[in-house]
Amino acid sequence: GENVEQHPSTLSVQEGDSAVIKCTYSDSASNYFPWYKQELGKRPQLIIDIRSNVGEKKDQRIAVTLNKTAKHFSLHITETQPEDSAVYFCAASKGSGGYQKVTFGTGTKLQVIP
Amino acid sequence: GAGVSQSPSNKVTEKGKDVELRCDPISGHTALYWYRQRLGQGLEFLIYFQGNSAPDKSGLPSDRFSAERTGESVSTLTIQRTQQEDSAVYLCASSLVAAGTEAFFGQGTRLTVV
Repeated sequence: GENVEQHPSTLSVQEGDSAVIKCTYSDSASNYFPWYKQELGKRPQLIIDIRSNVGEKKDQRIAVTLNKTAKHFSLHITETQPEDSAVYFCAASKGSGGYQKVTFGTGTKLQVIP
Repeated sequence: GAGVSQSPSNKVTEKGKDVELRCDPISGHTALYWYRQRLGQGLEFLIYFQGNSAPDKSGLPSDRFSAERTGESVSTLTIQRTQQEDSAVYLCASSLVAAGTEAFFGQGTRLTVV
């Protein structure tokens, strides 16, 4: 089955700096890569996703890049703000006859220091 | 309701008792997941249902854990003879059956075994 590894497990940055979280996946058939943000005491929520036919996607201060050859994808947050502090999870899934179990990474706890 | 609903939101039980957790997915979502999240930890996959296919039970940690889902409706996660190490937040998520779609999480059930 799919295996998703995520690094780093914790990340502290100064407010205004950039943060990068990296994930690798094992199944070359995976074609959908979402990122979820979980604020303290809340449920995970999708913040951005990318499909395998695209190399990069951006939404305001958040961007995700995908390298299919190397089987890794990354989340980039620019101009970080205290409200970006949360746990971020990457995930990978594939559509095969409608079967698309999502496999999550282990999470990165991001702390933005004011 | 508009989102994934879980009940109860909190459950305190004595060691050795059985507990049943409930998840109401978003209407029309045929994929349903259960995860366990210990304090400060990542998402531990438990079980995945998709339509009428046989569920993927590969994440269930022991035979004390079981889950049922009838069709595309409510799912229940049952933990028998609870142990203190079962204390965690149990999250349910649902999604449409399609290649690459967002998983929507419930608010979770916080289980405390005393």
